[in-house]
Amino acid sequence: EVQLVESGGGLVQPGGSLRLSCAASGFIFSTYEMNWVRQAPGKGLEWVSYIRSSGSPIYYADSVKGRFTISRDNAKNSLYLQMNSLRAEDTAVYYCARGREMDNAFDIWGQGTMVTVSS
Amino acid sequence: DIQMTQSPSTLSASVGDRVTITCRASQSISSWLAWYQQKPGKAPNLLIYKASSLESGVPSRFSGSGSGTEFTLTISSLQPDDFASYYCQQYNSYWTFGQGTKVEIK
Repeated sequence: EVQLVESGGGLVQPGGSLRLSCAASGFIFSTYEMNWVRQAPGKGLEWVSYIRSSGSPIYYADSVKGRFTISRDNAKNSLYLQMNSLRAEDTAVYYCARGREMDNAFDIWGQGTMVTVSS
Repeated sequence: DIQMTQSPSTLSASVGDRVTITCRASQSISSWLAWYQQKPGKAPNLLIYKASSLESGVPSRFSGSGSGTEFTLTISSLQPDDFASYYCQQYNSYWTFGQGTKVEIK
């Protein structure tokens, strides 16, 4: 079964750091582009970051540029999001999502992990 | 940045109704548009890609159309399982989602 499973969410104070992980299974992870998408409570979806199958290029939304770092370990079938200098407005469910082959729609999503930034 | 505007924000409909949701892009995105369905507490699910291509496993009552800046998602006969939120997404230049449309029971 094709699956993405996120982990690493939790409660963190403003200015703190957190590292999210996304474990992939059921497909050849190293051949797919990957993304992080977030959704604040009661709000819509916001794309956060993208990484190509090879690890480059990488793109970020302006709202997280300079604070978040996306990475992947193809040998471990894993995607990561290092989040630094966290703000209250980063509070959201964070999803990892696979990019479709041949185009960039998101065809497989994880169940999400909740990040709460609060003192 | 490309902005995506969906309408309506909320839609009240009955089982069996034909439902149409509109998405407008702030500039041309060719056919690089996807539609997703999301139920409360769940991850989004891809319905349509490249404006009009039905994702595998998605019921044929869902269809998409449009190109350039104007797009529509149509549900030909609304079923109980279809009450959910729907999002459009452009992927012509990076990725941007519309603000969502909640389909409620009338």
